[in-house]
Amino acid sequence: GAVVSQHPSRVICKSGTSVKIECRSLDFQATTMFWYRQFPKKSLMLMATSNEGSKATYEQGVEKDKFLINHASLTLSTLTVTSAHPEDSSFYICSAGQGSHPYEQYFGPGTRLTVT
Amino acid sequence: AQSVSQHNHHVILSEAASLELGCNYSYGGTVNLFWYVQYPGQHLQLLLKYFSGDPLVKGIKGFEAEFIKSKFSFNLRKPSVQWSDTAEYFCAVNLLRGGYNKLIFGAGTRLAVHP
Repeated sequence: GAVVSQHPSRVICKSGTSVKIECRSLDFQATTMFWYRQFPKKSLMLMATSNEGSKATYEQGVEKDKFLINHASLTLSTLTVTSAHPEDSSFYICSAGQGSHPYEQYFGPGTRLTVT
Repeated sequence: AQSVSQHNHHVILSEAASLELGCNYSYGGTVNLFWYVQYPGQHLQLLLKYFSGDPLVKGIKGFEAEFIKSKFSFNLRKPSVQWSDTAEYFCAVNLLRGGYNKLIFGAGTRLAVHP
C-alpha cells in the first residue's frame, strides 16, 4: 500500500516553455502532498506543501509564480514549472501524506527535468 | 534554523562489516525521526521511524536506530552489511508544531559495500 506515482519520469524541454509534472497517490487519499527538489549529490529541499482544495504553502525562496502547484483532488497534485530555464533543471520529487498518519510521507519516484 | 546533520557523506565498507551512520538534529521541541534509503535509480523508501516509546527502533532489512534525546541524535546501525545495502541514506526530522508538518532532510550518506 501507500504507492505514489509521478509522471513523466523524465522530461526535456526548451528554455521558455512550461512543463507539468503529475503526482498521484494510487491506493490512498492524500490530504497533503509535498514537492521537493533534489540537486545532484545533495539532499531534498522542500519547495511547497499543498493541501487538497487550498492554496499551496511555499518555502522561503521558492517563487510561487514560477512553480505552480495545484492539488485539485485527494489523489492528484501537479507542479508546473513555468517559463523554464536551464537552472530549473533538477530532480523533482513529490510525496504524499495520509490523513490518518499525517506525519508519514510516501515518496514518488521523481521526475528528472532537463531544460535546454 | 532547524537543521539535520549527517556526519558521513561517503562510507565504504566490506560485506559483513558493521555500520553506524550518524544523524543529529537541532530542534528543542517534539520531533518525529525517520531514516530513508534510496537505492540506485529508485525512489526514497522508509527504513524506519521513531514517533514515541522505545527509543531503539527496528526497521526493515535488519536496520535499527536509537533515539538519544539528550544528544539530539538518531543514529542508524546494522550489525552486518550486505552488498545490496549499497545506497544513499537520508535522515529526516519532522517538526511537530501545532500541526505544522515539514520534513527536514540531512544531506545524505552514500554507502558503498564491496563484496
